[in-house]
Amino acid sequence: DGGITQSPKYLFRKEGQNVTLSCEQNLNHDAMYWYRQDPGQGLRLIYYSQIVNDFQKGDIAEGYSVSREKKESFPLTVTSAQKNPTAFYLCASRPESGALDTQYFGPGTRLTVL
Amino acid sequence: GNSVTQMEGPVTLSEEAFLTINCTYTATGYPSLFWYVQYPGEGLQLLLKATKADDKGSNKGFEATYRKETTSFHLEKGSVQVSDSAVYFCALSPSGGYQKVTFGTGTKLQVIP
Repeated sequence: DGGITQSPKYLFRKEGQNVTLSCEQNLNHDAMYWYRQDPGQGLRLIYYSQIVNDFQKGDIAEGYSVSREKKESFPLTVTSAQKNPTAFYLCASRPESGALDTQYFGPGTRLTVL
Repeated sequence: GNSVTQMEGPVTLSEEAFLTINCTYTATGYPSLFWYVQYPGEGLQLLLKATKADDKGSNKGFEATYRKETTSFHLEKGSVQVSDSAVYFCALSPSGGYQKVTFGTGTKLQVIP
């Protein structure tokens, strides 16, 4: 079955540590995205990538980094510079970046900073 | 810039009641419009979409019509079930090359037996 996987589902980290969230898709989609979801705030775009080896900052990129070395993988690193990292993180992909294409979402990773 | 405004929740309905969740948008040109649904602890799933004015998206008894004149894309269902309890997000994707998808803040629906 094609889809998007995110791991782990729950992640705990100590303050000051970097942590990497995994996102893998086998849909052969070109575009991939990372969103952050906080209660009552909808989804906010962190980073996106339209093709391999290329990515752009979204609205709230500070304290985050990404890489896109393979088409199917788009890992997100939450660095110690992110002031309030506790949130639900969603990865998404899209066949291309055009307007008509639906985004497909992974199940999410809930990150808690202790 | 682009924006999406949804009615605030939570919305609480009895089973078999009629559902309307309002969504209005601001965008230039002719964006595509989407409704996504999120069940507790999960990612978002596409519920329905419309890509041009007067299109009606429908799925699982839910419907929404792309109204250019009122810049709206209200979600409706004639008879809700307990299993419809979830958070619903309205979203737009601008036309003309890549631009980011804009999401509303979400409306939580609770259906009680």
